[in-house]
Order: sequence, then structure tokens, then C-alpha cells
Amino acid sequence: QVQLVESGGGVVQPGGSLRLSCAASGFAVSSYGMLWVRQAPGKGLEWVAVTWSDGINKYYPDSVKGRFTISRDNSRNTLFLEMNSLRVEDTAIYYCVRGGVAAGIQGADHWGQGTLVTVSS
Amino acid sequence: EIVLTQSPGTLSLSPGERVTLSCRASQSFSSRNLAWYQQKPGQAPRLLIYSASSRATGIPDRFTGSGSGTDFTLTISRLEPEDFAVYYCQHYGGSLYTFGQGTKLEMK
Repeated sequence: QVQLVESGGGVVQPGGSLRLSCAASGFAVSSYGMLWVRQAPGKGLEWVAVTWSDGINKYYPDSVKGRFTISRDNSRNTLFLEMNSLRVEDTAIYYCVRGGVAAGIQGADHWGQGTLVTVSS
Repeated sequence: EIVLTQSPGTLSLSPGERVTLSCRASQSFSSRNLAWYQQKPGQAPRLLIYSASSRATGIPDRFTGSGSGTDFTLTISRLEPEDFAVYYCQHYGGSLYTFGQGTKLEMK
């Protein structure tokens, strides 16, 4: 059974840093593309990072490029999101998401329950 | 950059009705890269449709996706009470994983 459990959210001041973790079970993160998707309070979904299954190709939207870094530890079967130079507008629930391409699904087929990041002074 | 525009923003409907949601792209792309999600309050999104028309595991057949190029649709043939939620389309693949802004289905 696929499970994704995020941790590391909390309150941070503008300009600060935070590292989110996502513990995966039921599959190997090394075999799948993985994403982070966020949702600001009362707003829609925004993709913030993706890593392909090769672990080499990584992409970010302009809103976070240069500030956020996605990575994974295959030995711990864990995905990370390093967030630097945080802004008030980065306040959101951050979801860890599995891409289903390795399972023949061109879409995000499993989602964690999310972790809340609040950027406030 | 591809921008996805969903319409309408909100729909007020009754159970049993048929509804079609629209997702329009700013430029054409392969239908392989279009996915639809459902999100209920306080829950994570759930994948409904991938590759424009393939239902994800466990999705009832009242949900149908279609479209190509720049115009994609999600149709719910007969609304059930549990279908009232927010629906998002997404370009999934390559270097771009952009979402539309969502369409909210509310019960009349």
C-alpha cells in the first residue's frame, strides 16, 4: 500500500529556511518521479518541484526557482524539499506527490496529507 | 509556458444533473499530458483522469474525460452528492506540471 507522510512544516520568518521531508512506503522513490505541490489557504494547487525517476532531471516554476531544491535519499526512501529565502507568499500546505509514469499513469497518482508551512514575522 | 484556464469558476447544480467542466490551454499539447483531479474540503487531491481520457483506479464510469490540442473537458454524467468538490486540470509531464485555477461544484 502506497503511503506518503510529510513532516518538517512549521512557522518561519521571512528570509528563513525550512526543510520538508516525505517518508514513502509501499514503493521505491528511486523508481518514480516525485513532486511537491502546494496550496495556499483558500487557493488552488501550485506545483513547486519535480524530480524525474532518473534523479537527474529536476524542474521548478519561476516562483521558486533558485530558492527551492528537491532531492531524495533512496536508502531512506525519502523525498525532501529544501526551501530558502522564504516569503510570506510561500505560506501553504505542501503535499508530497508520486508521479505515476512508472506505473503507466501520466499523472500524480498518490498524495500525502500535507504539511503546513507558515511564513510570518 | 502553458497556462490552463478552467471554466466556469463555480457551478451550482443538483444531484442527478449532468455537468461538463472546461480546461483550455494557452498552447496546444499532447492529450497524454492532461490530467484531472478532485479535491474535497480538508483532503488532498485525488487523481480522476490521466492522459485526457483514462480513468484512474477506482474512479466510477460517470466521470469521462475528453479533448485534444487546447480544449479538454471533464464530464460527470449524473452528479452524486459526493461529487460536489473542486476540480483541477493539470499539464503533467516534461518540465511543466501546471494546474488550472479550479472549478468548484456546489450543491444547489
